[in-house]
This record gives sequence, structure tokens and C-alpha cells, in this order.
Amino acid sequence: DVVMTQSPLSLPVTLGQPASISCRSSQSLVHSDGNTYLNWFQQRPGQFPRRLIYKVSNRDSGVPDRFSGSGSGTDFTLKISRVEAEDVGVYYCMQGIHWPPTFGQGTKVEIK
Amino acid sequence: EVQLVESGGGLVQPGGSLRLSCAASGFTFTTYWMSWARQAPGKGLEWVANIKPDGSEKHYVDSVKGRFTISRDNVENSLSLQMNSLRAEDTAVYYCARGGGALAQFWGQGTLVTVSS
Repeated sequence: DVVMTQSPLSLPVTLGQPASISCRSSQSLVHSDGNTYLNWFQQRPGQFPRRLIYKVSNRDSGVPDRFSGSGSGTDFTLKISRVEAEDVGVYYCMQGIHWPPTFGQGTKVEIK
Repeated sequence: EVQLVESGGGLVQPGGSLRLSCAASGFTFTTYWMSWARQAPGKGLEWVANIKPDGSEKHYVDSVKGRFTISRDNVENSLSLQMNSLRAEDTAVYYCARGGGALAQFWGQGTLVTVSS
């Protein structure tokens, strides 16, 4: 299975400050169709996962523009430009090109 | 509005069986791959299985192969997961998701399965 490695696993952030989460895959996530199937999910406490970003850098509808995704090949990053209280939760990267789809371990974002 | 509502979770003894269901609405069910994923208490996310729109192709993660069966009813717009020979390590919240895994945009609220004697 493709291993997705996130860092850091815990991220205390001051409100209004930026945050960055790294995700590395053990294999390339570039599909033969030219797309890179790397998604980012947010899971708030007690809630189901919500997709924020798909195909590396595309924000889902309703996702604030303070969230952005970047990267290529095997290295990817999720950035929050200015953390707000509602951003507290666990963030997962997920690859969808190789079976089975696999997730990173999760990065817990909390407010300092 | 896309809605996915899971049901069927509960407490079951090791070696027992359970059938989960997911009622889908708000989109054309027959055009989407569908999936089940799970999350053990306090742990991360794991894909379980997916199924092609017409039901002709199914994939399972190794840990459930031969024990779990995914199916769909394209008339009733529903997705099912038949789980047999359940083990303690199958204890998790099970989520229904729209999509085969590559994109998986929408998820249900989940249903808790507890395998314990």
C-alpha cells in the first residue's frame, strides 16, 4: 500500500497566524490521465471527514480561501493563511490513485 | 443537496455478522462509484471497499477480503456492506462516501460498529 506520511502530527497555532502541514507519499500520485489525486480532509471534533482540497490544489465549494494546497509528485502541503477557531481539528491527506486509497496519520491542529 | 445516511451499526459478538446500509439522495446515484471507509476509535481513516456504478466491479482492502461484501441497489439508491466473521479490530465508525476513492467528495455521518463479547 502507498504510505502517506504527514508532519507535524501536532500543530499548536496562535489565532490569526499561519499553519502548514506537509504530506509525503511513498509513490508518485500522478495518474496517466495527467491528474494528481491528492486530497486534503478536515475532521472537526466529533464530526465526519470533510474534503477541503482535491487534486492537490482545488478548493471545494464553501471552503474558505485561507486554505490552500500545493505540491507535486510525492510532496504536498496544506496551508492555512490565518488560523481561526473553527479550524481546530485533525487534517488528513489522502491519495486516491493506488488501491487502496490511503490516508496520512493525521495532523491535530489546536489553538495555543 | 447530497445526503448520505448510514444505518445498521451496533454491538455484535466476535464471529458475528452485521449489515450496514447507506441511503443516498440529492445526486444521480447510478453514475457514481460508492465506497465504505472506517475509523477505529481515536484512530485514523481506512478505506474498506468500493463499487462501480453498475455494480460490476468491486474492490476490498486486504483486511476484509472474504469477510465483507459491498453491494448496491440502483433502484432504491442505496449502498450496503455485509460484514461476516467480525473481529474486535473491525470496531469502528463506518462511513459511506460518494466516489471510488480518487476524489470521495461527500461522506455520511457514520454508523458505529462495536465487536465485543
